[in-house]
Amino acid sequence: EPEVTQTPSHQVTQMGQEVILRCVPISNHLYFYWYRQILGQKVEFLVSFYNNEISEKSEIFDDQFSVERPDGSNFTLKIRSTKLEDSAMYFCASSASTGHSTDTQYFGPGTRLTVL
Amino acid sequence: RKEVEQDPGPFNVPEGATVAFNCTYSNSASQSFFWYRQDCRKEPKLLMSVYSSGNEDGRFTAQLNRASQYISLLIRDSKLSDSATYLCVVETGGGNKLTFGTGTQLKVEL
Repeated sequence: EPEVTQTPSHQVTQMGQEVILRCVPISNHLYFYWYRQILGQKVEFLVSFYNNEISEKSEIFDDQFSVERPDGSNFTLKIRSTKLEDSAMYFCASSASTGHSTDTQYFGPGTRLTVL
Repeated sequence: RKEVEQDPGPFNVPEGATVAFNCTYSNSASQSFFWYRQDCRKEPKLLMSVYSSGNEDGRFTAQLNRASQYISLLIRDSKLSDSATYLCVVETGGGNKLTFGTGTQLKVEL
């Protein structure tokens, strides 16, 4: 069964450093997403991406965050200058939706980001 | 009012019991509705989509009441392996944004 993969599984960084979280969505999917979950809290939407553009982003997704699809398979989330409060599990997801109807979003196993 | 509201639980039930979870959502423009399951420190996994007509998948039954903005999940004959957090999820907006509830924790015991 096809699945979303994410690397690394755990990233530890110092406050102020840049991090790039990587995702490989399911190969025939068209929509890509990033969500985060702070420990003990709910899953929160960060951004959706379609046709090489951001479709929607949340208030959390400020100028410190960016997304990119650098090639035909990878989808990345960059945090330019990490803060302590960025510590969370970051989930990538993808769906086959064309935007007219919602298709299932499949989630990757997540990257646990720890900012010290 | 929270966008998606759920009772956090935990619900501790014996094996074989029937358990029901409820959820309310605030945005009447919401278009699609789901129940996801999340095991500890794992990714959310789709359990089932929820339709106005109600839908059933084995031991699981989901219902949607758009007028009341209310979603339910019924689990019959619960198994130990059903122990997890059940997330009520609502899709709103053109970007397919999913809004999650905080989840309801279920513990099925011998």
